[in-house]
Amino acid sequence: GNSVTQMEGPVTLSEEAFLTINCTYTATGYPSLFWYVQYPGEGLQLLLKATKADDKGSNKGFEATYRKETTSFHLEKGSVQVSDSAVYFCALRNRDDKIIFGKGTRLHILP
Amino acid sequence: DSGVTQTPKHLITATGQRVTLRCSPRSGDLSVYWYQQSLDQGLQFLIQYYNGEERAKGNILERFSAQQFPDLHSELNLSSLELGDSALYFCASSPGQGFYEQYFGPGTRLTVT
Repeated sequence: GNSVTQMEGPVTLSEEAFLTINCTYTATGYPSLFWYVQYPGEGLQLLLKATKADDKGSNKGFEATYRKETTSFHLEKGSVQVSDSAVYFCALRNRDDKIIFGKGTRLHILP
Repeated sequence: DSGVTQTPKHLITATGQRVTLRCSPRSGDLSVYWYQQSLDQGLQFLIQYYNGEERAKGNILERFSAQQFPDLHSELNLSSLELGDSALYFCASSPGQGFYEQYFGPGTRLTVT
């Protein structure tokens, strides 16, 4: 079946540090891949997406590249800010339209 | 603001009770999805409706049911509530089926005591 595995948190970094949150997936076919972000007390927001192999999704300084050969979609940002503190979810969606989420990674950025 | 609204924001009730959660999708969106977020299970897909009809089912318990009305708003009914049903329930909407982006509401936090 389809599944998403992402690194467990919490991840604590200092402001301006480099961020990587690892995500790997298992799926039949060619799923679309997503990163969602959940700020404290809010719902999920789509951060970025990629719909086919080698696509790079990017938004707000975050990037992730769809790597079919390693079934990965790691989230990166070159210089994090305190305002990036949130929970990040890696997710996939296959043809059946359901989104399968990873367990989420809590990110704390220290000033 | 995603344009998806959910009411109520918080709900506290006792075991054995029944509650109804409401979702209004973004204007023009025909699909509504329900998700449950709990500490132990993470974020799980429950059920999808498209233009009033059930389209997909995930890990939804038999004690739970949902429907989508002609005006496209949706309700999730949870009955015979147990402590383990305490969770955040999210609704999302999208324009149709297939590879459309899903827009999430702010969620309803259910606490069962």
